[in-house]
Amino acid sequence: EPEVTQTPSHQVTQMGQEVILRCVPISNHLYFYWYRQILGQKVEFLVSFYNNEISEKSEIFDDQFSVERPDGSNFTLKIRSTKLEDSAMYFCASRGMGADGEKLFFGSGTQLSVL
Amino acid sequence: AQTVTQSQPEMSVQEAETVTLSCTYDTSESDYYLFWYKQPPSRQMILVIRQEAYKQQNATENRFSVNFQKAAKSFSLKISDSQLGDAAMYFCAYEPSNYQLIWGAGTKLIIKP
Repeated sequence: EPEVTQTPSHQVTQMGQEVILRCVPISNHLYFYWYRQILGQKVEFLVSFYNNEISEKSEIFDDQFSVERPDGSNFTLKIRSTKLEDSAMYFCASRGMGADGEKLFFGSGTQLSVL
Repeated sequence: AQTVTQSQPEMSVQEAETVTLSCTYDTSESDYYLFWYKQPPSRQMILVIRQEAYKQQNATENRFSVNFQKAAKSFSLKISDSQLGDAAMYFCAYEPSNYQLIWGAGTKLIIKP
């Protein structure tokens, strides 16, 4: 089965530093998402992306966050100045069209630890 | 507001027995999807089963089945013949028309050998 790939699997950073989380969605998918899960809490929607622009974003997705699709394969989440409360598991997901659009494919996540 | 509630923080079951995890949700939409995801200690999110709201028939995937009660807004997951590998966090999720999944708080499933 096709996979969504996320790198790195773990990222440790100092507070105030910038981090970029990388995702390679499934190749023919058109809709991309970032979710996060703070340890012990619910999974939360961050942002959705379609046709090279943000289609929806949550209140969590403030000016410190940005997403980009720099080429035809990667989809990145950037946090400009990390805070302690940004420590979480970040999941990338993608969706296709038609019957394939009924299912969201998740990557295995990037565990971000802000010290 | 659209919400998903999993009222069981933790459930345990004897290996080979059957267990049911409960989930309720709140929505005013009539067309939507419901999901159960499994998250093992690796924290990867694995789709277990999916239900379309417009389908009356309950979804089934091998040992996993759901009891979908649309009027009651209830979506429980039944795991038959529980196996040690089923031990994980299980999340119920609701997908409205904007495709933004709304998640429950999760149920930790413990399998007793």
